[in-house]
Amino acid sequence: LAKTTQPISMDSYEGQEVNITCSHNNIATNDYITWYQQFPSQGPRFIIQGYKTKVTNEVASLFIPADRKSSTLSLPRVSLSDTAVYYCLVGDRGTGGFKTIFGAGTRLFVKA
Amino acid sequence: NAGVMQNPRHLVRRRGQEARLRCSPMKGHSHVYWYRQLPEEGLKFMVYLQKENIIDESGMPKERFSAEFPKEGPSILRIQQVVRGDSAAYFCASSRPGLAGANNEQFFGPGTRLTVL
Repeated sequence: LAKTTQPISMDSYEGQEVNITCSHNNIATNDYITWYQQFPSQGPRFIIQGYKTKVTNEVASLFIPADRKSSTLSLPRVSLSDTAVYYCLVGDRGTGGFKTIFGAGTRLFVKA
Repeated sequence: NAGVMQNPRHLVRRRGQEARLRCSPMKGHSHVYWYRQLPEEGLKFMVYLQKENIIDESGMPKERFSAEFPKEGPSILRIQQVVRGDSAAYFCASSRPGLAGANNEQFFGPGTRLTVL
């Protein structure tokens, strides 16, 4: 089973760039890397997904090295509203199943 | 296009009662996933369904829990004879046909918070 490892928590200040790195040593060839954001009392929300190299959208960038054993979510110029839990996921088909594994996530706290 | 809808948002049950949680996926989505989340923890996968079929229920307890996604109507997560340990937030997600599981973007509902007294 593909497993991810992320820092438990991170602190930052408004206006800074935040980089959250996720390790996924057992990633499979067909797996994509996906990041979700979750605010308290809400369901997770998709942020970005990638397979290799770099992906950028209006809210974040995702950097994936050639070996794909890790990935880094980059949030430019964070604001207080970016305080949330960020989850890194990789595709998992298990033994014929389609289990989606959310780890404990990284709690980002943005301070003024 | 309405998002994923879950009801009720809050549900209180006494030990031994049944809890029924409903999830209406986004329009055009045929994949539904159920997750459980305890306070301060990540989401735990329970079950993955397509219309009228359970594809993967490896994360769901074999006793007291069941799920369905009928041809018509919402997906239902049913918990029989609830116990205090079932108290949690239950999230439903849906995705488009195509790639399954973590390879496909999942859209989450607001969750149902179950409290067992």
